Amino acid sequence: GESVGLHLPTLSVQEGDNSIINCAYSNSASDYFIWYKQESGKGPQFIIDIRSNMDKRQGQRVTVLLNKTVKHLSLQIAATQPGDSAVYFCAEPSLIFGKGTTLSVSS
Amino acid sequence: NAGVTQTPKFQVLKTGQSMTLQCAQDMNHNSMYWYRQDPGMGLRLIYYSASEGTTDKGEVPNGYNVSRLNKREFSLRLESAAPSQTSVYFCASSVTGANTGELFFGEGSRLTVL
Repeated sequence: GESVGLHLPTLSVQEGDNSIINCAYSNSASDYFIWYKQESGKGPQFIIDIRSNMDKRQGQRVTVLLNKTVKHLSLQIAATQPGDSAVYFCAEPSLIFGKGTTLSVSS
Repeated sequence: NAGVTQTPKFQVLKTGQSMTLQCAQDMNHNSMYWYRQDPGMGLRLIYYSASEGTTDKGEVPNGYNVSRLNKREFSLRLESAAPSQTSVYFCASSVTGANTGELFFGEGSRLTVL
């Protein structure tokens, strides 16, 4: 069946490092993906999205890469800050969420 | 602008009791969703409403019912609560249906069933 998963449940980085969070999907027909950030005790919030006609999309300090050949996408956070500590989900296409990666940033 | 508002934020029930989680959005969105979030399981879709007057089952609908009361409100009802329904519940809305844009989430309702 369809699934969206993240490779690692946790990721620990130092402040200022670049972070890379990965996500694999199984439905080759998926054409739209969203990354969400969920801070402790709050609901998920939109970070960035990408459509399948793109390989890369950049936002403020975040970049999403999509590799349709291997059905993989990644979220890159530049110069990670303590405020980036949260759980990150990829979602496809709004109904199916991955299990999330917990990003911990130490200063 | 409140966005998506859920009530109550916390609730404790005994097995077999019933309750309704309320959700309202003030963004004039057409689509609304109910998810549950359990440790290590991520977000799982319970029910969704693509537009006013329609509802559809998601991945884990058993034990739940929903009502799309109007365009703003989408409620989730547990008729006979079970300990397995202990979870954090999130309501969300989007402009139109899946595959078209981001979801806006409420702050969540933490439910404990004893």
